Amino acid sequence: DAKTTQPNSMESNEEEPVHLPCNHSTISGTDYIHWYRQLPSQGPEYVIHGLTSNVNNRMASLAIAEDRKSSTLILHRATLRDAAVYYCILRVQGGSEKLVFGKGTKLTVNP
Amino acid sequence: KAGVTQTPRYLIKTRGQQVTLSCSPISGHRSVSWYQQTPGQGLQFLFEYFSETQRNKGNFPGRFSGRQFSNSRSEMNVSTLELGDSALYLCASSSGTETGELFFGEGSRLTVL
Repeated sequence: DAKTTQPNSMESNEEEPVHLPCNHSTISGTDYIHWYRQLPSQGPEYVIHGLTSNVNNRMASLAIAEDRKSSTLILHRATLRDAAVYYCILRVQGGSEKLVFGKGTKLTVNP
Repeated sequence: KAGVTQTPRYLIKTRGQQVTLSCSPISGHRSVSWYQQTPGQGLQFLFEYFSETQRNKGNFPGRFSGRQFSNSRSEMNVSTLELGDSALYLCASSSGTETGELFFGEGSRLTVL
């Protein structure tokens, strides 16, 4: 299974931007990059996904390197509610909804 | 629309017993997948069902099984429970495409004594 590497933890201040990095050097040409987050005592929640181009939605932006070996999830203005574990996942191809979760990055947001 | 519903939310069993967990997906979703989350191993994929057929399976022993009904509701069963089966069991539903998002339930927390 394709692997991703993320920092164990990051810290940010409220209302400041947050850049969460992810390395995926073994990504295949057709693998999509997905980000999920898990708030305390909840199931994971979809954040964003992309293939090659940068993507924006109401929650975040996803910046994908030109060689696709890394990506960055950008929270433009962190709030206390963004404190969660963020998972960067490569979507395994082959007609399956299998997600391979790594350890993720625990984001702490300081008031 | 209603989200993914998992029941029961909490349960306690003893070693050797068996347990059945239920998952009702979002209306219209045909894929249901199950994950186990423990502090040591993190989130691990158990299996996925699509239109009543198991489409993929993770690396878990045969004590872990599941099924999906014609209305897309799914159940998973763990037989001969072991202490190490204590975990949060999460169900996710999706439309079944390879790029769509998965919607997770809040999970069923199983404690094995």
